[in-house]
Amino acid sequence: KAGVTQTPRYLIKTRGQQVTLSCSPISGHRSVSWYQQTPGQGLQFLFEYFSETQRNKGNFPGRFSGRQFSNSRSEMNVSTLELGDSALYLCASSLGPGDSTGELFFGEGSRLTVL
Amino acid sequence: DAKTTQPNSMESNEEEPVHLPCNHSTISGTDYIHWYRQLPSQGPEYVIHGLTSNVNNRMASLAIAEDRKSSTLILHRATLRDAAVYYCILRGASGGSYIPTFGRGTSLIVHP
Repeated sequence: KAGVTQTPRYLIKTRGQQVTLSCSPISGHRSVSWYQQTPGQGLQFLFEYFSETQRNKGNFPGRFSGRQFSNSRSEMNVSTLELGDSALYLCASSLGPGDSTGELFFGEGSRLTVL
Repeated sequence: DAKTTQPNSMESNEEEPVHLPCNHSTISGTDYIHWYRQLPSQGPEYVIHGLTSNVNNRMASLAIAEDRKSSTLILHRATLRDAAVYYCILRGASGGSYIPTFGRGTSLIVHP
């Protein structure tokens, strides 16, 4: 079956702009979580959505937001971009929240460069 | 949130076993220990997970300490394709909180 799909794969923005990234989970998966990966900070949790509701949020400013649609597809948005937002943004899907035994299935990520 | 500590990097020779350690001294009773690895230019992929007992699958083995404060991912015969960053994370529903903390992981270098 198809894996997790993230679009776009690469994008370049300038400071002050905003960006929207998309994630389509594996069919049947209802949970989508987002992560930011940078060389300095490693892989950091942004937020998790299940059934269109944000269930958990990492320690990121309010400029980072997301949502989930009824078909489980998710988008994340970053407003007023800063140079430090340059990163690989990964999303992962799983069957459900609090599913401690469940695997996380990751997409290949969206590489954002802020100039 | 419970955190994990891993060495920044480890090296191994091809065909030899590799033991990747992870410390998680603040683990709670409901936290599962998960391992993922990230190959260059790819998203992380699941390797193995466990709660208390040692686990084996086709990719690796997971040895969990009796007090659960540490675990070890064992690759029985390293190959060049195993060169990746390995992450040990805790996943649990304790207190309704689910925030997996990946950190920087361990970069495994495999020498031919």
